[in-house]
Amino acid sequence: DAGVIQSPRHEVTEMGQEVTLRCKPISGHNSLFWYRQTMMRGLELLIYFNNNVPIDDSGMPEDRFSAKMPNASFSTLKIQPSEPRDSAVYFCASSLGYNQPQHFGDGTRLSIL
Amino acid sequence: GQQLNQSPQSMFIQEGEDVSMNCTSSSIFNTWLWYKQDPGEGPVLLIALYKAGELTSNGRLTAQFGITRKDSFLNISASIPSDVGIYFCAWGGGADGLTFGKGTHLIIQP
Repeated sequence: DAGVIQSPRHEVTEMGQEVTLRCKPISGHNSLFWYRQTMMRGLELLIYFNNNVPIDDSGMPEDRFSAKMPNASFSTLKIQPSEPRDSAVYFCASSLGYNQPQHFGDGTRLSIL
Repeated sequence: GQQLNQSPQSMFIQEGEDVSMNCTSSSIFNTWLWYKQDPGEGPVLLIALYKAGELTSNGRLTAQFGITRKDSFLNISASIPSDVGIYFCAWGGGADGLTFGKGTHLIIQP
């Protein structure tokens, strides 16, 4: 069975550029989560969707970050403009419900130079 | 606000030793989950606990949901090199979904 699929696996770009991270959740899962992981802060929840609707985006650092879920099988996390402090591993996870066990993708390692 | 603590932050042990780690909170939760993250990969669910006092095993792993619903522990028996990684507890059950601990880094010396 296919798990959560994220792309790209690695992204290196210069500050100021737009970055788009992509996620395909597990089929049938109603909830989708975006996390950021750094050494200093660990795993931080950025935003989550339930039935394609954003429920809680209080973890989004600032207006440079935006996330969309146009349909049940696809979500994007966009950073515009990117800054070096955005460098981190970004994970997408999905679950049957918002408080059910979450299944993670392998992440996107983002480096902003 | 609620206080959440996962300990220890890191463990250096010899192969074959047993491992114990735990998570505590100042609030009551309905769900405790334990995840493991290998280098370069996403966290993978190990054990899910939904009832106070519940004790669940998965191979050499055993986890318990504390009676007070404010804590959980994870034990690994007879550690092997592939147990190396970061172990996260996660808790939740309310409107805020799941929250993850800071993780316990497990390092095993052969």
